[in-house]
Amino acid sequence: NAGVTQTPKFRVLKTGQSMTLLCAQDMNHEYMYWYRQDPGMGLRLIHYSVGEGTTAKGEVPDGYNVSRLKKQNFLLGLESAAPSQTSVYFCASSYRLAGVYEQYFGPGTRLTVT
Amino acid sequence: DAKTTQPPSMDCAEGRAANLPCNHSTISGNEYVYWYRQIHSQGPQYIIHGLKNNETNEMASLIITEDRKSSTLILPHATLRDTAVYYCIVRVTKNDMRFGAGTRLTVKP
Repeated sequence: NAGVTQTPKFRVLKTGQSMTLLCAQDMNHEYMYWYRQDPGMGLRLIHYSVGEGTTAKGEVPDGYNVSRLKKQNFLLGLESAAPSQTSVYFCASSYRLAGVYEQYFGPGTRLTVT
Repeated sequence: DAKTTQPPSMDCAEGRAANLPCNHSTISGNEYVYWYRQIHSQGPQYIIHGLKNNETNEMASLIITEDRKSSTLILPHATLRDTAVYYCIVRVTKNDMRFGAGTRLTVKP
């Protein structure tokens, strides 16, 4: 049971380049999330998904797009990277049980935009 | 929005209990209190959650005051591996888990 995995672990982009971050979970969770964490700060929700084929905006969605074509995968895309998107990106997933949503996190992707 | 207030940092001696406080004075009746921790630069790890009653699991205990305006996370026998940032979170909606700055706990030998 790998839990939540993220690909890649590290990436350096130049301003204007695009990339896709992949999140995969093998726990059959319905919900998946993308967060970003800037130095010394807590996590902020970018986008989330409550099921296959559905996505929704979180607290800081601008500059990002997401897709959930398969239940186990959640992709985060940066169409035109900017230095302000330099951050650590965490993916998480959760099951739904009686209104309680315990989230399981991946190890993170460190992205630097120069 | 129900917000939380935590001290920025705390120290604890190895083997002693670590008591981490959290104020959430604007919490509403159906909002849970969650605790997560983040060790170094890893992804956050779920610790425990509660609504009204005190809760205990293999990692920690959660004490919630009767008026639900504050709570305390207790690590009964802190080890060096418990050094981490601890987040107290009050869920606003099912998909909105707001992480604040948390409390940086340092366990010292």
